[in-house]
Amino acid sequence: GQQVMQIPQYQHVQEGEDFTTYCNSSTTLSNIQWYKQRPGGHPVFLIQLVKSGEVKKQKRLTFQFGEAKKNSSLHITATQTTDVGTYFCAGSPWGGGYQKVTFGIGTKLQVIP
Amino acid sequence: DAGVIQSPRHEVTEMGQEVTLRCKPISGHDYLFWYRQTMMRGLELLIYFNNNVPIDDSGMPEDRFSAKMPNASFSTLKIQPSEPRDSAVYFCASRITWGYNEQFFGPGTRLTVL
Repeated sequence: GQQVMQIPQYQHVQEGEDFTTYCNSSTTLSNIQWYKQRPGGHPVFLIQLVKSGEVKKQKRLTFQFGEAKKNSSLHITATQTTDVGTYFCAGSPWGGGYQKVTFGIGTKLQVIP
Repeated sequence: DAGVIQSPRHEVTEMGQEVTLRCKPISGHDYLFWYRQTMMRGLELLIYFNNNVPIDDSGMPEDRFSAKMPNASFSTLKIQPSEPRDSAVYFCASRITWGYNEQFFGPGTRLTVL
């Protein structure tokens, strides 16, 4: 079945440093979603990418979808302590509809003030 | 809007007991998902419903797990009998068919089986 791999699993950064997490799928995706889960909380939707090569920005966050629609990345510029949490990518398989998504294992971000 | 509501928030039970987790999706949402989250395996989709009908239950670990959605505003996930390896956080999520495919997650139920 479809597998979604995410690296790194953990990342510690000094406040103000940049952070990037990468997501790779074993199969072509129809779309990819990113979620953030704060410690003790639940996943919260950040964004969805659909088009090949798509790039979207939300303030200090930049999301990219690869040309082959098999990989994606999330980059945070100048991290802040409010960025602490686990970031998940979630992909829907090509031709499989948008209903079922497979989540990556997540990247847990710690920001040292 | 109250968001997705789950109960109980915490459940501690002994091995062999029956456990029932409850979920109320956001009104108007026609998809409902049950996930299990553990450190080792991350977020796993167990089952999802569309218009109260189970569509894909391939993620249900074994026959001890069952899920129902008797109406558009209520779903249950039952484990009988429970085992220590079922200890995890169980999330319910809902979404609407049209527009963004954003899933709205509930606060989760932290299950501990002793």
